[in-house]
Amino acid sequence: KQEVTQIPAALSVPEGENLVLNCSFTDSAIYNLQWFRQDPGKGLTSLLLIQSSQREQTSGRLNASLDKSSGRSTLYIAASQPGDSATYLCAVTGANSKLTFGKGITLSVRP
Amino acid sequence: DAGITQSPRHKVTETGTPVTLRCHQTENHRYMYWYRQDPGHGLRLIHYSYGVKDTDKGEVSDGYSVSRSKTEDFLLTLESATSSQTSVYFCAITRSSGTGGEAFFGQGTRLTVV
Repeated sequence: KQEVTQIPAALSVPEGENLVLNCSFTDSAIYNLQWFRQDPGKGLTSLLLIQSSQREQTSGRLNASLDKSSGRSTLYIAASQPGDSATYLCAVTGANSKLTFGKGITLSVRP
Repeated sequence: DAGITQSPRHKVTETGTPVTLRCHQTENHRYMYWYRQDPGHGLRLIHYSYGVKDTDKGEVSDGYSVSRSKTEDFLLTLESATSSQTSVYFCAITRSSGTGGEAFFGQGTRLTVV
């Protein structure tokens, strides 16, 4: 059974800091890995999708990497801003197209 | 937003009553999913569908059933609602192919069972 872990559960940083959010998964037989953002009381917004054959994806200040063999992904946020405060979730797509989620990292960026 | 609409957005119901949540998509994607999100548990898959009348169970399917008679609609039914089913329910679709496509989510339905 696939398990996805995100540690720590919460993170608080000062504005302007570069930061890395980690995601690990137990079964390397995945089709892709996706990072989402969720604001309180809202739905999930897709940030980046990395196919299993890719090593990284970039969008603006966000960069996600994937090391499938070691079961790890990182989301790098450059020059963090208070508007980046949210919960960040990673999910992997495995057999039968099922997505398995981590529990998320709640990020707070202090002005 | 991939054209996903969930209805209702909020519902309060009594224990023992049946409840149906609707997910509607406008882009004819093959794969559709129902998840529930609870504090401490994250998002858990209830059921998913890979085509009209083709559905399968997720990890927390007990007490739930689904139906998909049209490509655009995926219905989740709580056959006899219990307080443990109080949760936020999300519908999702996978764009492009099911194996490598990007997932998009609806805005969620907040269900309270009293």
